[in-house]
Amino acid sequence: GNSVTQMEGPVTLSEEAFLTINCTYTATGYPSLFWYVQYPGEGLQLLLKATKADDKGSNKGFEATYRKETTSFHLEKGSVQVSDSAVYFCALANFGNEKLTFGTGTRLTIIP
Amino acid sequence: SAVISQKPSRDICQRGTSLTIQCQVDSQVTMMFWYRQQPGQSLTLIATANQGSEATYESGFVIDKFPISRPNLTFSTLTVSNMSPEDSSIYLCSVGGTDNTGELFFGEGSRLTVL
Repeated sequence: GNSVTQMEGPVTLSEEAFLTINCTYTATGYPSLFWYVQYPGEGLQLLLKATKADDKGSNKGFEATYRKETTSFHLEKGSVQVSDSAVYFCALANFGNEKLTFGTGTRLTIIP
Repeated sequence: SAVISQKPSRDICQRGTSLTIQCQVDSQVTMMFWYRQQPGQSLTLIATANQGSEATYESGFVIDKFPISRPNLTFSTLTVSNMSPEDSSIYLCSVGGTDNTGELFFGEGSRLTVL
């Protein structure tokens, strides 16, 4: 079955630091990969996605590249801000299947 | 993208009572999904709600505990029955996107606390 393994948190960084949150997956076929973000007190929002190998998803300065050879989809940002403090979820879905499989989430705190 | 409204946004409930959560979408959708997010945990799919048929429940979830209605293509309800403190969670409604990538759009969630 499908599974997503995500970097354990919590992660605390200083403002303007470089961020990496690791995500690896196990799936049959060629899944779509997603990063969702949950800001304090809010629901989930799609941050970025990639639907095939070597695709790079990007949004709000965040990037993630779909690496089929390493079954990974690591989230990166070159310079984080306090407003990036949130919980980040890696997720996957098989083509045509709207059931998402989520990782455990990584809580990110950025301190000024 | 879809705009999803959930009510209530939060509630405090007594043990043994039931609460119904409403989910309204601004467009017609075939499938709606109900997820649970327990404190500090990831999201777990409870069930998939199709209009005109019974909901499909995931392993570990049963209709008697989480009855779902889907009266039309823009609305669904989830009831949490006979609540216990272990049911304290955020319950999220979601719908799929139109690009067939598996992307989901989520409501803001309903945060339930059971005393």
